[in-house]
Amino acid sequence: NAGVTQTPKFRVLKTGQSMTLLCAQDMNHEYMYWYRQDPGMGLRLIHYSVGEGTTAKGEVPDGYNVSRLKKQNFLLGLESAAPSQTSVYFCASSFGLAGALAEQFFGPGTRLTVL
Amino acid sequence: AQSVAQPEDQVNVAEGNPLTVKCTYSVSGNPYLFWYVQYPNRGLQFLLKYITGDNLVKGSYGFEAEFNKSQTSFHLKKPSALVSDSALYFCAVRFPNYGGATNKLIFGTGTLLAVQP
Repeated sequence: NAGVTQTPKFRVLKTGQSMTLLCAQDMNHEYMYWYRQDPGMGLRLIHYSVGEGTTAKGEVPDGYNVSRLKKQNFLLGLESAAPSQTSVYFCASSFGLAGALAEQFFGPGTRLTVL
Repeated sequence: AQSVAQPEDQVNVAEGNPLTVKCTYSVSGNPYLFWYVQYPNRGLQFLLKYITGDNLVKGSYGFEAEFNKSQTSFHLKKPSALVSDSALYFCAVRFPNYGGATNKLIFGTGTLLAVQP
């Protein structure tokens, strides 16, 4: 099992450009999440999904969109990148509604720089 | 408000000494509590969790954590630190009334553990 994978690993964008980050998991997890990690701020939830075809806003959703067309994939889009979106982005997944199995599994991250 | 606090940005400990990384939370109800570790340029790895039952939970790499409901704390501990334990540690909490049944977590800001040889 590959677990949770993310592409690309690194990306540099210019202000105003768009891009899509792809997250894939092969653990048949129902729930998937996108976080951003910034120094001194821990991880903050951008968007999440509790199943194929459903998405919801997290703590810091502005400037991002997501889609979950297939259960195993969760896409994060930046329509018009801004320097404030320079960050490391992590995808995670977990089983659904399984309290004893509530831990999330994380991908390796995507380091995004917006100039 | 629901929150998670890791009061120390950095913890320094000598190899072979015991280590403690602190985590406190504020919430009503019974939270699920987690510890994750992040090595440089890597994603977060799950270490251990408390859901219910025994207040002392054991996890990967010899780590353990103690849930203290009266102090609303979930400190991470290890009896004898290794240089290879040096990493960034995150406490996370799933609150029972935060977003319903979505397994959403709130993360602390992280504590950098530095183990000196």
